[in-house]
Amino acid sequence: KQEVTQIPAALSVPEGENLVLNCSFTDSAIYNLQWFRQDPGKGLTSLLLIQSSQREQTSGRLNASLDKSSGRSTLYIAASQPGDSATYLCAASNYGGSQGNLIFGKGTKLSVKP
Amino acid sequence: DTAVSQTPKYLVTQMGNDKSIKCEQNLGHDTMYWYKQDSKKFLKIMFSYNNKELIINETVPNRFSPKSPDKAHLNLHINSLELGDSAVYFCASSQGGAVNQPQHFGDGTRLSIL
Repeated sequence: KQEVTQIPAALSVPEGENLVLNCSFTDSAIYNLQWFRQDPGKGLTSLLLIQSSQREQTSGRLNASLDKSSGRSTLYIAASQPGDSATYLCAASNYGGSQGNLIFGKGTKLSVKP
Repeated sequence: DTAVSQTPKYLVTQMGNDKSIKCEQNLGHDTMYWYKQDSKKFLKIMFSYNNKELIINETVPNRFSPKSPDKAHLNLHINSLELGDSAVYFCASSQGGAVNQPQHFGDGTRLSIL
């Protein structure tokens, strides 16, 4: 059974700092690993999707990496801004059952101080 | 234009009642999902559905039933509501079971049981 863990649960950094959010998963038989952002009172916004055959994906100031063998993914945010403040969730999509079912971590709540 | 829309945004009702939450997507996706986010912000899959297959998470009580009048809609009907059903319910959609495509989420329906 897949379990996804995110560390830390909360993170506060000053504006401009580079930061890394961590995600680990127990079952390496994944289709993909996805990172989402959730703002208070809102749904999830997809940030990056890394397929199982890929090592990383980049979008603007965001870079996500995937190491299936060690069961880890990281989300790197460069030059953080107050607008980056949100909860960041990673989710694994596994083989077996419904291919699209995502198993989520509990998220990292990020606060970027001006 | 809202890609995945849910109604209502807030739902307050008494124990024992039956209620429905509606979800519509205008993305032309073939797969839709329902997730439950509990008070600890943990997001868990409830159902995934395309026009061929309904996959039910075995932990979901049979008081919950998804109903799809057409490909663009997946409504969630809940019978005999219980206190523990209080949560935020998210609808999502994707193309092709989200193997290579990200899921798009609605803004959620906050259900409160009195």
